[in-house]
Amino acid sequence: EVQLVQSGAEVKKPGESLKISCKGSGYTFTTSWIGWVRQMPGKGLEWMGLIYPGDSHTRYSPSFQGQVTISADKSINTAYLYWSALKASDTAMYYCAKGDSFDIWGQGTMVTVSS
Amino acid sequence: QSVLTQPPSASGTPGQRVTISCSGSSSNIGSNIVHWYQQLPGTAPKRLIYSNNQRPSGVPDRFSVSKSGTSASLAISGLQSEDEADYYCATWDDSLNGRWVFGGGTKLTVL
Repeated sequence: EVQLVQSGAEVKKPGESLKISCKGSGYTFTTSWIGWVRQMPGKGLEWMGLIYPGDSHTRYSPSFQGQVTISADKSINTAYLYWSALKASDTAMYYCAKGDSFDIWGQGTMVTVSS
Repeated sequence: QSVLTQPPSASGTPGQRVTISCSGSSSNIGSNIVHWYQQLPGTAPKRLIYSNNQRPSGVPDRFSVSKSGTSASLAISGLQSEDEADYYCATWDDSLNGRWVFGGGTKLTVL
């Protein structure tokens, strides 16, 4: 079964760093893009960026460029989303999704940033 | 403000046919495949259907899509209570060095 399993919910303070993960299984991880999507509370889906784990080529939404870093470790079939300094406005559910059409989604990671 | 425009809400009674529209431009819908996602309450989105009515296994043929120029639409026939969800259209946009764009989402209520 093809699936993406994300890391658990996080509660952080403003200014702290955070890396969340997305582990793929059931398919060849290195040959499918992984995208990250934000969903703020009660809001719609926003595309953040993509990574191709085979060569770590990344593309970012202009809205998120410089705000987050997307990376991958193909040796353990895992993609990451990293913040160096969280803000309260980063509070949201974050989803990873597979492929160039987002055919499979992770279960989501809820990130809460509050002082 | 989303790049793709969807109505915020839609509704219908069981058995009815409902259509959800998605409007874009030549750089996105006009030149790329449109995908539709269903998000049931409290769950992750799942891909529902895309161009030429390609459906993942398990998605009933009550769901169909169409596209004309820079607009697309999702039709749900024989509406069922389990169809109550948020629906999003999405596609690749060739502008700004390329990016994925989503519609704002449509909340479907089954009355």
